[in-house]
Parts: sequence; C-alpha cells; structure tokens
Amino acid sequence: GAVVSQHPSRVICKSGTSVKIECRSLDFQATTMFWYRQFPKQSLMLMATSNEGSKATYEQGVEKDKFLINHASLTLSTLTVTSAHPEDSSFYICSARVDRDSVLYSNQPQHFGDGTRLSIL
Amino acid sequence: AQTVTQSQPEMSVQEAETVTLSCTYDTSESDYYLFWYKQPPSRQMILVIRQEAYKQQNATENRFSVNFQKAAKSFSLKISDSQLGDAAMYFCAYRAGASYGKLTFGQGTILTVHP
Repeated sequence: GAVVSQHPSRVICKSGTSVKIECRSLDFQATTMFWYRQFPKQSLMLMATSNEGSKATYEQGVEKDKFLINHASLTLSTLTVTSAHPEDSSFYICSARVDRDSVLYSNQPQHFGDGTRLSIL
Repeated sequence: AQTVTQSQPEMSVQEAETVTLSCTYDTSESDYYLFWYKQPPSRQMILVIRQEAYKQQNATENRFSVNFQKAAKSFSLKISDSQLGDAAMYFCAYRAGASYGKLTFGQGTILTVHP
C-alpha cells in the first residue's frame, strides 16, 4: 500500500536553530501535501497546504517566514522551522494527497506520515 | 467555514462491549466526505472508516460502523466487540469535495478499553 515517510521522527535542538522536516511519498506522486501541528492530547491543526512547483498556502495565523515550506518534486515536501524557540516544540505531521488519476486514489485518497516530535531547549 | 465537534473528550468501554463516539459538523457544502481516524500512543494516524455524503447507506468496516445523519449533520462511530487494541484517540474529520484533500478535524475523543 501507499506509504508516506516522514523524517526525522524526533529532534531535539537548541533555541535559535533551524530544523528541516521531510515528507516523502514512497510509491505514489503527490502534487499536494499538508502540514499539521498537534499539541499533546489536542487535535491536528492544519498549518499549510504544500503544492508542487508553487508557493504553499498558509492557514490564518501561521507565520510564513517562520515555517518555510518547499515542494520541489512530486514526492517530497519539506517544512523548515526557522530560528526555533521553545514555543515551537510540538508534534508535526504531514500528509500526502494521492493524485486523482492514480490507481491508489479510490482506496485511500490521503496518507499520513508518522510525525516528527520537535523539542526546542 | 466548516467546523467539526466532538463533545466527548474521553470515553471508556469494557472489552467485548460496544461504544459509540459522537461527532457533529457544520457545512454549507453538498459534496463532502467524513472520516474517522484512530491515533494510538504511537501517534500514527490510521484511517478507520469513511463516508461519502452522497451515499445514504452507512459505511461499515468489520467491527466499525457509522451512523450518518445528513440532515442532523451527525456522524457517530460505533465500535462493536471492543478490543484492547482499540484504545486510542479518535478523530472525526471533514473534507469538502473540492478541497483537494484539506481535512478539518474535531477535538478528538480518548477511548479507554478496560479488560
């Protein structure tokens, strides 16, 4: 079945560091990927929609300069948390939308990565 | 804007018993999809069941079934013969038909299964 790989699964770094998280669709093309943020025991909040070859669409209240998104290929989107601070500590999850013309679409149109636990000291 | 509400922060059930998780949503769209996702302690998101709004028949996947009441905008999940492995956080989610996959999640319900 379709799989989305998210890397790293866990990262601990000092305040002021920039951290890059990768989201990769392993066996299907994903023109669109999504980045969510989740605090403990809370829901997933959509941060931005990543579109291959174009600028990401950010949700209201999400700082574009803080959370840089690049979707340079049909299988890879990256989220960079720039100059991270302790309040950026959270669980970040990506999902990849299977393109409609894919044979995989009818089975499950969207697949999630396993998430990245980011801790800023 | 679409909203999804799960009014039960926590639920518990005895093993082998049945439990129902509630979800309501608000939308002005006619074409949309509803989902239940399971998130175990590993925090992996697992699709449990999905329902297309245009289908009147309630979706069923083995021990999991939904009660989709379109007019009431209600979408509850019933878990029959509960197992210890069902313990997790469950999220109800909504996707508009033309949203290209953007999901709106409810607050989540933590399900505990007692042996």
